[in-house]
Amino acid sequence: DVKVTQSSRYLVKRTGEKVFLECVQDMDHENMFWYRQDPGLGLRLIYFSYDVKMKEKGDIPEGYSVSREKKERFSLILESASTNQTSMYLCASSLAGYQETQYFGPGTRLLVL
Amino acid sequence: GDSVTQMEGPVTLSEEAFLTINCTYTATGYPSLFWYVQYPGEGLQLLLKATKADDKGSNKGFEATYRKETTSFHLEKGSVQVSDSAVYFCALTARYVFQKLVFGQGTRLTINP
Repeated sequence: DVKVTQSSRYLVKRTGEKVFLECVQDMDHENMFWYRQDPGLGLRLIYFSYDVKMKEKGDIPEGYSVSREKKERFSLILESASTNQTSMYLCASSLAGYQETQYFGPGTRLLVL
Repeated sequence: GDSVTQMEGPVTLSEEAFLTINCTYTATGYPSLFWYVQYPGEGLQLLLKATKADDKGSNKGFEATYRKETTSFHLEKGSVQVSDSAVYFCALTARYVFQKLVFGQGTRLTINP
């Protein structure tokens, strides 16, 4: 089975802190994604990566950056956390190809005070 | 741009009732369509998918048919169980475009015994 793990289930940070969310997949997938999930808005794509060191902006990249130094690991970085970044963050991975299923991790619930 | 509209929740049903969750979409070209499910405290799992018009996706007693003429992909199940309580997301990904899932806002389903 594909396994996508995220470093934390819950995080509490203060405004202005730098926050790192880590995601690891164990199935040699080329593609990795970061989404945020908010009530009433569904999931929105923040960034995705189709290869090591490659990244593309999604629909809501402002305030975020990403890093993919190894194929299995994709990090989301909040350079200076703000209260409007309080949300659930979901990582996903998939094989290359436009019809491939995306496999999701359990999510990190981030609270910024 | 591409979008997905789902029936608003929450939806509450009794065990063994018939379930329909409506989903319509707007997309250029010929998208692939998905239903994902999120059980409490977990990430999203693919429930079923359909990649072309008139395809029927099915899994765990759930079904959805890709209707190009009505741009719909409604989720149905003949007899729901308490264990089906979850949040359901309809999503699409555009063909021949780098894989990007566009999600509906999600429908929370509660099944009472």
